[in-house]
Amino acid sequence: AQRVTQPEKLLSVFKGAPVELKCNYSYSGSPELFWYVQYSRQRLQLLLRHISRESIKGFTADLNKGETSFHLKKPFAQEEDSAMYYCALISGGYQKVTFGTGTKLQVIP
Amino acid sequence: ETGVTQSPTHLIKTRGQQVTLRCSSQSGHNTVSWYQQALGQGPQFIFQYYREEENGRGNFPPRFSGLQFPNYSSELNVNALELDDSALYLCASSFDGTILGDTEAFFGQGTRLTVV
Repeated sequence: AQRVTQPEKLLSVFKGAPVELKCNYSYSGSPELFWYVQYSRQRLQLLLRHISRESIKGFTADLNKGETSFHLKKPFAQEEDSAMYYCALISGGYQKVTFGTGTKLQVIP
Repeated sequence: ETGVTQSPTHLIKTRGQQVTLRCSSQSGHNTVSWYQQALGQGPQFIFQYYREEENGRGNFPPRFSGLQFPNYSSELNVNALELDDSALYLCASSFDGTILGDTEAFFGQGTRLTVV
């Protein structure tokens, strides 16, 4: 069975400090991985996907198949980055998606 | 702001009752997925509808069922409600059978269901 693990429920960092939100997955096939973000009182929205290898709002994430990880990183945290972040995995030709339990990022001014 | 709307926003039901939740999709989207998000948890995939047919399902019992209409809006029906069904129910619309994949899925604000 596929699984997505986000080990930290809460991550607090100071403004300007580097951020790394951890995501590990278990899946026997080739995964498609995403990061979704939910700002306060807003809808869940896509942040980035591994296939596009893009940087959004300064965030990047690299798929490491050897370590089965897809950690989200940003070199300098901003207050507006405070939000709930969810890692998600798609398998089986788009037929099933699994979300992690989420990490709340709190950026301290 | 996306065009995905869900109704109602809040709902209280009694154990054993049945409930119907509704979702209208983003303009141009023909696929709707439903998720259950319990407190403190990530969204759990219930199922997806594409071209009015179920096109993928998570680990939910048959008392969770759905419909998609010709205008691509969708309903989630839950029969014989249990206390553990209390959660936020999210729908997301996307294009051409993808869940989160090639094109972005847009989420609704959710329906908060409380079963007492």
